[in-house]
Parts: sequence; structure tokens; C-alpha cells
Amino acid sequence: QKEVEQDPGPLSVPEGAIVSLNCTYSNSAFQYFMWYRQYSRKGPELLMYTYSSGNKEDGRFTAQVDKSSKYISLFIRDSQPSDSATYLCAMSGGLTGGGNKLTFGTGTQLKVEL
Amino acid sequence: NAGVTQTPKFQVLKTGQSMTLQCAQDMNHNSMYWYRQDPGMGLRLIYYSASEGTTDKGEVPNGYNVSRLNKREFSLRLESAAPSQTSVYFCASSEGATNEKLFFGSGTQLSVL
Repeated sequence: QKEVEQDPGPLSVPEGAIVSLNCTYSNSAFQYFMWYRQYSRKGPELLMYTYSSGNKEDGRFTAQVDKSSKYISLFIRDSQPSDSATYLCAMSGGLTGGGNKLTFGTGTQLKVEL
Repeated sequence: NAGVTQTPKFQVLKTGQSMTLQCAQDMNHNSMYWYRQDPGMGLRLIYYSASEGTTDKGEVPNGYNVSRLNKREFSLRLESAAPSQTSVYFCASSEGATNEKLFFGSGTQLSVL
């Protein structure tokens, strides 16, 4: 069983829809939770960063962490065609130095249709 | 602002050939990383350098070597390429001791025939 599970999709939604992307994890030591967005043939870029449980909002994006259920979510409101990309969740235990291994999900491919 | 720059963008090698992937960052970051990305496997850490002068193995180091040339540059070397090393390689950097906020380069697509 992988430490981080993420549905690969693809997920196809109409423009303007609310999108929900999710990851589950098994390691209770994870404290830092991130979402990266990766456009085709590009490197991942950090989209959202949260520490411990709770919600964080940034424009149309909301990241939610439920440590009791070992479940994180990314919500995209009023989705746009420019949101079409692969979304990677990532998490870590917060150790210092390179020993802080960042564990990535395999990514969910999202397509927002006109 | 260039961020993290990787070269080359594409490379085709024959089994047994060697090559070096170059990476440079202009953000004055202390830590640098090499990842590979394969379908269904996610991003996996090959090697990292927590600070200038130090390097350590990640999750999948076999068949690779690295050099932290200075604070800006971190190279990845394949001494004898194998088809299993066909992948997309990403270099990344982070500012501090905890590496959650990674900045990635645009990747090198490597095919080993």
C-alpha cells in the first residue's frame, strides 16, 4: 500500500464547476500538506501549503486537511480552462534538512471543458 | 527571474552511455534536489543536497551520482545508462532546512534505448 493515495483521473468538468480533488495517506507523522499544479511538459509549481489540520483559502482555491481521517482535499471554485492540469498532493513530517522526505501522490489529471 | 534552470530539455541515450544533467537556481536557496517522475509512480527523490558541500541519497539513488558544485548548481550524472532510467527528471530547490516549499525546473525528458 502506498503512503499517499490519489485518484489519477482523468477528471473532466464543465467551466464554472466546483472541483474537488482528494488524497488519503497512512503516515500519521505527516504535518505539512501541499498541493502542486503541473501543466503538461512543465515542472510542478506550489499551489497551496498548509500545516496540520484546518482550511486555507487563496482566491478560488481552498485546501482542507482532516488529520483524524488522514484525508486532504483541494477545492477549485468557478473552474476555468486554464485550471486544466495535473494536481499533485504532497506531504511531509517536517524534519529538518533533506531528511524531511516529501511524499507525493501520483497526481489527478483535471480537464475543464468550455 | 529564471528560478530553476535545467539542461538539456530532451536527451536520447543508448544503453551504457553516460551523461550529466545540469541544474542551476538563482534564488539563493540552500537545498537542492533531483527527482524522477514516472507514470503511476509519482515523483521520487533520487538525491538531495541540504546545503552547499553536502549530498545524501534519496529514495531511488542506484545508478546515479550527484555533485553540488556550489550554492547555485547541482548536477546529476548517469554513469552507465539503462532503459530503466528512462524518465522525466526534475531538479528542485528550497530555501530553508525544511523542504516543503519546493521550486521545480521544467524537467529533462530522458530516453535510454
